Amino acid sequence: SQTIHQWPATLVQPVGSPLSLECTVEGTSNPNLYWYRQAAGRGLQLLFYSVGIGQISSEVPQNLSASRPQDRQFILSSKKLLLSDSGFYLCAWSVTGSGAQYFGPGTRLLVL
Amino acid sequence: RKEVEQDPGPFNVPEGATVAFNCTYSNSASQSFFWYRQDCRKEPKLLMSVYSSGNEDGRFTAQLNRASQYISLLIRDSKLSDSATYLCVVPITGGGNKLTFGTGTQLKVEL
Repeated sequence: SQTIHQWPATLVQPVGSPLSLECTVEGTSNPNLYWYRQAAGRGLQLLFYSVGIGQISSEVPQNLSASRPQDRQFILSSKKLLLSDSGFYLCAWSVTGSGAQYFGPGTRLLVL
Repeated sequence: RKEVEQDPGPFNVPEGATVAFNCTYSNSASQSFFWYRQDCRKEPKLLMSVYSSGNEDGRFTAQLNRASQYISLLIRDSKLSDSATYLCVVPITGGGNKLTFGTGTQLKVEL
């Protein structure tokens, strides 16, 4: 069966510090991968998606970036965090050609 | 019209009640739809997929009305454990299997 991991679970970072969140998927090959952010009391906002290694599509302009160095690894990064980067970051995967997405447990980020 | 619209609620219902949520969508080309459940401070989890006119899974029934562009979720015999936020999800046409998530309808089942 497929599983998706995210770490860390929670993170408190000062403004201006760098960020690296990691997501890995097990039990499937060549998945589509997604990064979402959910601000407190808000809906899910798609940040990035990837259909293959090294292929990243950005959905919203921001100071975040994403990379996919391996088939089942997806990384979300920032060089300098802003207060507005606080939120619940969710990684998801889907089978290519299938609609449903499956989420990891998320990382709760607080920027102070 | 927003891509996906849901009544935010909350819907407060007694245990055992039947409750229904509606969701409207704007993209008439969408073919498949989903309902996700999200518990407080947790990740969304797939509850049901809706590929044709409807789908039933135990106490949960999802229906699709393409002509009016709305999807409904019916929960029968509500349990305390059904308390959560229910997200209506519609695919975005184009590559990448992208989805648009509604902001959710909050359900509170009470004794």
